[in-house]
Amino acid sequence: DTAVSQTPKYLVTQMGNDKSIKCEQNLGHDTMYWYKQDSKKFLKIMFSYNNKELIINETVPNRFSPKSPDKAHLNLHINSLELGDSAVYFCASSQVRRDEQFFGPGTRLTVL
Amino acid sequence: AQKVTQAQTEISVVEKEDVTLDCVYETRDTTYYLFWYKQPPSGELVFLIRRNSFDEQNEISGRYSWNFQKSTSSFNFTITASQVVDSAVYFCALTNNNAGNMLTFGGGTRLMVKP
Repeated sequence: DTAVSQTPKYLVTQMGNDKSIKCEQNLGHDTMYWYKQDSKKFLKIMFSYNNKELIINETVPNRFSPKSPDKAHLNLHINSLELGDSAVYFCASSQVRRDEQFFGPGTRLTVL
Repeated sequence: AQKVTQAQTEISVVEKEDVTLDCVYETRDTTYYLFWYKQPPSGELVFLIRRNSFDEQNEISGRYSWNFQKSTSSFNFTITASQVVDSAVYFCALTNNNAGNMLTFGGGTRLMVKP
């Protein structure tokens, strides 16, 4: 059983499009996250979310928005895609923020 | 503000050598948590260890060991008798338990173990 899953694994799209990446966790965790990993492997957290609060990294453009239909899902919506959005996006979850996080397999987004 | 520095961007060793990956952190908090993650060439991120700021005991897990020293703000990771399968990017990370805080990663160290 996959603990944290993401779809799609690869996403190729044109500049200006809107796209979504889905994330689901079956670990019963309360907190979920989205990370961006750039071409130099640098990992940056974008959002932290549980049923009480959404914490946004202030450097994330407002074209990015997380949507959580329920505790097990945290989807990432991206509007008006730009070339610089090309990266690998990881979803993760943990019981609370101080705990270890379990990561999904990543979604490689390529914006042409 | 929190910061994690992994000064070694890339390390290359020959199989069976021991290797230490350095991690230095900065935080103003007295309660914090340190982590190591492994990212093999396949791309997934694998949790290795979590340590809280009140537990300075070193830890050993098989060929892996971790040395946490608050006096030098370091949380170094040693692989003994390295193997080709250890080739990966290794990330050190830091968080506290304050509301609003998020996990901060170091830049990663790419370890290449040659046969």
